[in-house]
Amino acid sequence: AQSVAQPEDQVNVAEGNPLTVKCTYSVSGNPYLFWYVQYPNRGLQFLLKYITGDNLVKGSYGFEAEFNKSQTSFHLKKPSALVSDSALYFCAVREETSYDKVIFGPGTSLSVIP
Amino acid sequence: ETGVTQTPRHLVMGMTNKKSLKCEQHLGHNAMYWYKQSAKKPLELMFVYNFKEQTENNSVPSRFSPECPNSSHLFLHLHTLQPEDSALYLCASSQAEGLAATDTQYFGPGTRLTVL
Repeated sequence: AQSVAQPEDQVNVAEGNPLTVKCTYSVSGNPYLFWYVQYPNRGLQFLLKYITGDNLVKGSYGFEAEFNKSQTSFHLKKPSALVSDSALYFCAVREETSYDKVIFGPGTSLSVIP
Repeated sequence: ETGVTQTPRHLVMGMTNKKSLKCEQHLGHNAMYWYKQSAKKPLELMFVYNFKEQTENNSVPSRFSPECPNSSHLFLHLHTLQPEDSALYLCASSQAEGLAATDTQYFGPGTRLTVL
């Protein structure tokens, strides 16, 4: 069965500094990986996903994620953090065979400090 | 907005009440989902409907009863809930089959439920 881990409950970063939110996964077969963001009092919003191809995936709002098969990781990154990036970030994975069975990680709260 | 609406946005109910949560998607998707989001806990998938048929029920207590009358509407009927059921209930949709199939899920804003 697939699973997702986000080892950090909380990440703090100064505005303008690069940010990284970590994610590791376990899945049978080829992984399909996602990042979602949740702002206060809102539902989750899709940021980006990896299916195949280039290991560096670019998404919304200047975010990107790097797929590393050997380390089974899919870390979310942004070169320069904004205060408005402060939110809850979820990594998710699904197995190759089913579109509707997506497993979400526990979430990482990102705080960007002015 | 994502094209997925949920009503009500907030709900307070007693343990003996019966209420329903409503979700509607305007995206033409054929799969809809209910998730429970509690503080300090991972997002929990409760139910999945694909082409109006329930394909997933993750051991959810029977006091939660889903209904999917068509591919655009999803309900969650609540009765005799417990205080630990207080949480944010999120609805999502996706296109899970066919040529336009995608695994990207679009979420509604959620219903904040408080059980007294």
